[in-house]
Order: sequence, then C-alpha cells, then structure tokens
Amino acid sequence: QVQLVQSGAELKKPGASMKISCKASGYTFISYYMHWVRQAPGQGLQWMGIINPNGGRTTYEPRFQGRITMTTDTSMNTVYLELSSLTSEDTGVYYCARDARWFDPWGQGTLVTVSS
Amino acid sequence: QSALTQPASVSGSPGQSITISCTGGSSDVGGYNYVSWYQQHPGKVPKLIIYDVNYRPAGVSSRFSGSKSGNTASLTISGLQAEDEADYYCCSYSSSTGSSTRVFGTGTTVTVL
Repeated sequence: QVQLVQSGAELKKPGASMKISCKASGYTFISYYMHWVRQAPGQGLQWMGIINPNGGRTTYEPRFQGRITMTTDTSMNTVYLELSSLTSEDTGVYYCARDARWFDPWGQGTLVTVSS
Repeated sequence: QSALTQPASVSGSPGQSITISCTGGSSDVGGYNYVSWYQQHPGKVPKLIIYDVNYRPAGVSSRFSGSKSGNTASLTISGLQAEDEADYYCCSYSSSTGSSTRVFGTGTTVTVL
C-alpha cells in the first residue's frame, strides 16, 4: 500500500537548521509531487511547499522563501525538507503528503522542537 | 498568502446536520474546483474526506458531502455522530502568488453535544 514514513523527532537550538525526511513506498515515486505541511502546537495546518521528485522543481510558500529547501533522492524514494534560521515559532509537527490535487496519504509527522 | 476563512467552531446534536464554510477569493476557492477537506482527531494525522469540491474517497462515510458556490466551499456532515468530533480543514489550489500553491483554511472544531 502507499506509505510515507518520516524521520524521527528533533530538538534544535534557535538559529540552527533542521533537515527531515519522508520515504515513500507502494507507488512510482517520480509520478507524484510531494507537499510539506506544518502544524504548530494547538494551531492549524500551514502549507509550506511542493516538490516534483522528477527533476526537483519546487514551489515554496512565500513566507518561508529564503530559508526553506526541498530536495529529493530518487534512488532512495525520499524527499527532504530543510529549514534554516530556526526560531521558537518553527516548533511544530511537520508532515509530508503526496499530491494528487489533494493531500493523500500523509506521513506520520515529525515533531521539531526549537528551544535553547 | 492569507488562510481561507472557516468558523472557529460548529456544534450539533447527534443525528443533526451541520455545515462548515470555507471562504476564499477568485484566485483560490472561486477560481478552481480543487477544494479538499480534511478531518483531524487530536494527536492524529489529517485524513482526506472530500476532494475536488464534492468527491469522497473510498471508505469515507456518505454522511460527508461537499459543495461550492462562488468563493465559498462548504462541508456538510449529516447524521452527526460522536466520532465526527474533530477538527476540519479545507484546502484549495491557489494562484494568488503567481505560482501554483495551496492554501489551508483556518480550521473548524466540531463538537457533538
């Protein structure tokens, strides 16, 4: 079955960078774009960006522009999300989700905590 | 880009019907039939319940239905059940930034009285 498995929880200090992963299985990896979505504690869902695994083309939500990078490793069927210059406001659960004009399925989420 | 506007909370008694609105603009909800809805129980991963405005994925109850009029999409839950108590988010394709992006709604908490 189609499955997205994300990397484990991370604790980061303010100013640091994070890099988390999302490994896909059960379908042809390069045939579907992948999204990243963030959810701060007690808050709603926030779209961060999308990557085309077939070539690596990306589109980012403007508020993250300049400190976000999405990449892909087609040999590992994995997409990565990097976010730099972290602040406490970046604390939250980060989800990857496969695109088909909608988000399905979703990864299990990766909790990133930014704290000194 | 700004989030789509949803009511913060909606409540209903078991068996009743409730409707959640999702209001955007002509560059997102009003411009495309690419609105989807997600249900999220506390501590859980969001689950797709409606896509392309009014289509249900396999396995999703027929009590969930979607519609759209102008810049506002709606999710209706009929025959409300205790298990429907959750947060609900709409999402739309958007071209407001000049690129193809997505925008989520602010989220609605559904309470079953």
